[in-house]
Amino acid sequence: DVKVTQSSRYLVKRTGEKVFLECVQDMDHENMFWYRQDPGLGLRLIYFSYDVKMKEKGDIPEGYSVSREKKERFSLILESASTNQTSMYLCANRSRENTEAFFGQGTRLTVV
Amino acid sequence: GQSLEQPSEVTAVEGAIVQINCTYQTSGFYGLSWYQQHDGGAPTFLSYNALDGLEETGRFSSFLSRSDSYGYLLLQELQMKDSASYFCAVRRMDSSYKLIFGSGTRLLVRP
Repeated sequence: DVKVTQSSRYLVKRTGEKVFLECVQDMDHENMFWYRQDPGLGLRLIYFSYDVKMKEKGDIPEGYSVSREKKERFSLILESASTNQTSMYLCANRSRENTEAFFGQGTRLTVV
Repeated sequence: GQSLEQPSEVTAVEGAIVQINCTYQTSGFYGLSWYQQHDGGAPTFLSYNALDGLEETGRFSSFLSRSDSYGYLLLQELQMKDSASYFCAVRRMDSSYKLIFGSGTRLLVRP
């Protein structure tokens, strides 16, 4: 069963902490994405990566960075967590040839 | 820029047919996809329209008209389990890796 796995379902962090959200795939897909999902706003793209060590900003990259040192792992980093980063974070992947994206189960992050 | 607009909420009766619209303002894209997300779950792929016209997959059909900048998802013989959020999405031509989603439509199916 192919998977996109996010390391945590729920996370509570304090304002100012550096937060790492991890995503691992076993599908050998080139493209990986990080979205945040908020009520009424849908899925908004934070960052994506189209290859190892390659990344591009999405629509809302401020306050975030990413790391892709290996093909199977894509990490989202909140440099200094703030309360407005409380959200559901979804990792996804897609192969270069296909249109279908596969999502992880999401990490609900609360910043207090 | 790009924008994908969907109605925020739709309510329908079990057994009925419902259409969820997606209008877009984007300079160019590879096709229109639809995803379903149940509460607490991950979005899952439903359909993809690369070309104009209707694509049918069981009870679900999806339509695209590039000239009208418009697409829709049609759900027939609605079941209670179809209650979920539905998102349209496009891959933009100016960056073929980017997958952009609409704001989503919450479908509530009533008995």
